[in-house]
Amino acid sequence: NAGVTQTPKFRVLKTGQSMTLLCAQDMNHEYMYWYRQDPGMGLRLIHYSVGEGTTAKGEVPDGYNVSRLKKQNFLLGLESAAPSQTSVYFCASTDGAGHQPQHFGDGTRLSIL
Amino acid sequence: ILNVEQSPQSLHVQEGDSTNFTCSFPSSNFYALHWYRWETAKSPEALFVMTLNGDEKKKGRISATLNTKEGYSYLYIKGSQPEDSATYLCAFIGTGNQFYFGTGTSLTVIP
Repeated sequence: NAGVTQTPKFRVLKTGQSMTLLCAQDMNHEYMYWYRQDPGMGLRLIHYSVGEGTTAKGEVPDGYNVSRLKKQNFLLGLESAAPSQTSVYFCASTDGAGHQPQHFGDGTRLSIL
Repeated sequence: ILNVEQSPQSLHVQEGDSTNFTCSFPSSNFYALHWYRWETAKSPEALFVMTLNGDEKKKGRISATLNTKEGYSYLYIKGSQPEDSATYLCAFIGTGNQFYFGTGTSLTVIP
């Protein structure tokens, strides 16, 4: 049982480049989330989705876009990467919003030079 | 943006000691509170989901309590073991479906 899978695990980009992070879950969860984790800041919510075809902004959405075309996949896009987006990105999914625990992927370490 | 505070930021205890940490959150618009255990180089794993004022949850040597009226939750570890070393995160979930994580308490258990 794979759970939540994030690809890639590591990536180095140059400023201005674009890329997409993929999150896939095999638990048929409705809710999916993208977070970034920075030293001393904890996990901060970037965007989330409450179902296929729906997305919403979280605490720190600027510079990111997301799509949820299929229930099992949640994509996070950086259109023009900036050094401030250097971070570790975590995806999570859950079946029942706040009344069920979140299941996390292993993270993607992204460096923007 | 909501303020979820955890204290202390870090803690070193001797093996066998019992310890506790605090998570403080807004007392309004409460929906749920989560506790997660996060080991280095791994992803966070859920410990407890708490939804009602006065909730008490227990898993082995770890337990948690919840006071939604005053906006705090305590996590207790009884008889700490080296394998308990990790960062413990709490997350406040408000009625708007967004998750707000604290910055965590880093626990080191010294053998």
